[in-house]
Amino acid sequence: DAGITQSPRHKVTETGTPVTLRCHQTENHRYMYWYRQDPGHGLRLIHYSYGVKDTDKGEVSDGYSVSRSKTEDFLLTLESATSSQTSVYFCAIGRGLNTGELFFGEGSRLTVL
Amino acid sequence: KNEVEQSPQNLTAQEGEFITINCSYSVGISALHWLQQHPGGGIVSLFMLSSGKKKHGRLIATINIQEKHSSLHITASHPRDSAVYICAVRSEGTSGSRLTFGEGTQLTVNP
Repeated sequence: DAGITQSPRHKVTETGTPVTLRCHQTENHRYMYWYRQDPGHGLRLIHYSYGVKDTDKGEVSDGYSVSRSKTEDFLLTLESATSSQTSVYFCAIGRGLNTGELFFGEGSRLTVL
Repeated sequence: KNEVEQSPQNLTAQEGEFITINCSYSVGISALHWLQQHPGGGIVSLFMLSSGKKKHGRLIATINIQEKHSSLHITASHPRDSAVYICAVRSEGTSGSRLTFGEGTQLTVNP
């Protein structure tokens, strides 16, 4: 196991509520990523981080924000959840920006009613 | 057209069969990943390759850079191989390295 955990693993919430997903790693990898997985699409990058307080947008970043105050934690926040954000969210870690092997968390299933 | 296309989308096999999953891509790449996603949802990296062939146990991955094509083979398939197999390609652009994922191939191996 690569030492990466996500929480919560399952969450049901209502439209308009804030939601925060947490990714925690014990590998000291520099790069951390948040992806979403939806039917009919491959994994799509939401945001990524290349160090403490260093983050950047991916291809589907609208409606999401992230923070990384410690090497080991990368938080994904939905300020006001919408039904289109119902998805399975995966955190991944790696040594380089989209280079080298990626290690994935178990996923967090979010349902927005 | 997606940058990464996998075929077939769904595959059902009998235990012991030789399985091939294909991945075609339309961009120049620097590396290609094969990932496995089990029914519980977790994703694990199987291979990362940029040329030739790699083998791990009963799994073999090949890539042909000129033809923009990769295959994942499973020999002597087993029900525990049932999973979604995902191809991802790394391409280099003006804003840096980027990973693009295929939609996955759902493999079911029946006993």
